[in-house]
Amino acid sequence: DAGVIQSPRHEVTEMGQEVTLRCKPISGHNSLFWYRQTMMRGLELLIYFNNNVPIDDSGMPEDRFSAKMPNASFSTLKIQPSEPRDSAVYFCASSLVGQAFNQPQHFGDGTRLSIL
Amino acid sequence: DQQVKQNSPSLSVQEGRISILNCDYTNSMFDYFLWYKKYPAEGPTFLISISSIKDKNEDGRFTVFLNKSAKHLSLHIVPSQPGDSAVYFCAASAMDNDMRFGAGTRLTVKP
Repeated sequence: DAGVIQSPRHEVTEMGQEVTLRCKPISGHNSLFWYRQTMMRGLELLIYFNNNVPIDDSGMPEDRFSAKMPNASFSTLKIQPSEPRDSAVYFCASSLVGQAFNQPQHFGDGTRLSIL
Repeated sequence: DQQVKQNSPSLSVQEGRISILNCDYTNSMFDYFLWYKKYPAEGPTFLISISSIKDKNEDGRFTVFLNKSAKHLSLHIVPSQPGDSAVYFCAASAMDNDMRFGAGTRLTVKP
């Protein structure tokens, strides 16, 4: 079974450049989550989608971050312009969510982002 | 606002002994709790969960205990094995709300 697929696995770019992270959720899952992992704060939820619709983006740090889910099998997280403090590992996760969020999320292997 | 806290960033135990990882939460509306395990360069993987209507759930070597009055849960691994060495994340969710994760505890099991 194909799990959650993220690309690229590693991204190194210069400050000010646009960065696009990609995610393919598990087929049949109706919710998709973007997380950022840092040493200080652990796993932070940035945004999540339910049935391709953004539900809660209160975790998005600032306007430089945006996320889209044009269809059930693809999502992007974009940072423009990027800054060194954006350096972190970004995870995408998907799950089959009913009325309550009592289903485990399946995570991709993450994108390690380094902004120089 | 950290609603889920793992106050121990690291834990080291001897192979064969018990590992106890702790987690505290502040939101009394949380009704579902999970533990995830993460190896380097991989995403977290689901390990075990517990609903708020229970106080214990066991799966092989892994047992999760929930103390609702103390807003505390713990993960017991017994016996610990070197392959259990990983970062463990505690997570919690409430009805109609998203999941919140702790900062993680790095477990090292020494042979």
